[in-house]
Amino acid sequence: AQTVTQSQPEMSVQEAETVTLSCTYDTSENNYYLFWYKQPPSRQMILVIRQEAYKQQNATENRFSVNFQKAAKSFSLKISDSQLGDTAMYFCAFMKHVGGSSNTGKLIFGQGTTLQVKP
Amino acid sequence: DAGVTQSPTHLIKTRGQQVTLRCSPKSGHDTVSWYQQALGQGPQFIFQYYEEEERQRGNFPDRFSGHQFPNYSSELNVNALLLGDSALYLCASSFFPGQSSGNTIYFGEGSWLTVV
Repeated sequence: AQTVTQSQPEMSVQEAETVTLSCTYDTSENNYYLFWYKQPPSRQMILVIRQEAYKQQNATENRFSVNFQKAAKSFSLKISDSQLGDTAMYFCAFMKHVGGSSNTGKLIFGQGTTLQVKP
Repeated sequence: DAGVTQSPTHLIKTRGQQVTLRCSPKSGHDTVSWYQQALGQGPQFIFQYYEEEERQRGNFPDRFSGHQFPNYSSELNVNALLLGDSALYLCASSFFPGQSSGNTIYFGEGSWLTVV
């Protein structure tokens, strides 16, 4: 069974600074997807960034980037130039591949990291 | 383009009662999954529906059941409610796994269930 672990329950960062959220996972699968989701107080889960395990290049989306270390089963999220609107709970999630470009559609989430951006 | 919509937003039920939550997937999506998120925890997968059939199920008792309609909308039913069922219930929609675009999952805003 796959597991996802986020070891930082809470973090804070000053506005405009950079912060890194950690995530490790355990799986025997070779092909899978990894995600970071953001959940603001409105509670809607919003996709931040996605990484395909077969791609060596780290994914980036504007101020958000990941450091994907497949051998170490580590998947950290870096937020640059932090903004007040980044304040939210962040979840790391895993999804198994079933072949080709498809997947099972079942997300396995970590426990979350609450990030507070301070002015 | 409407996203994933859920109803009701909040509800309070008494132990032993039954509840039905509803979800309409994002336009064009044919697969609906349900997740339970306890306060301060990550979401847990309940089950997934496609073509009106349950395709995958997480580690939840039979008190949790669902349905998918021909228009792809879905219901989550929970019978014999327990205090521990109090949680945010999230609906997620996507294309069915096996399609090349099936790895993007969109979530609704959730239904807050409080069992007293």
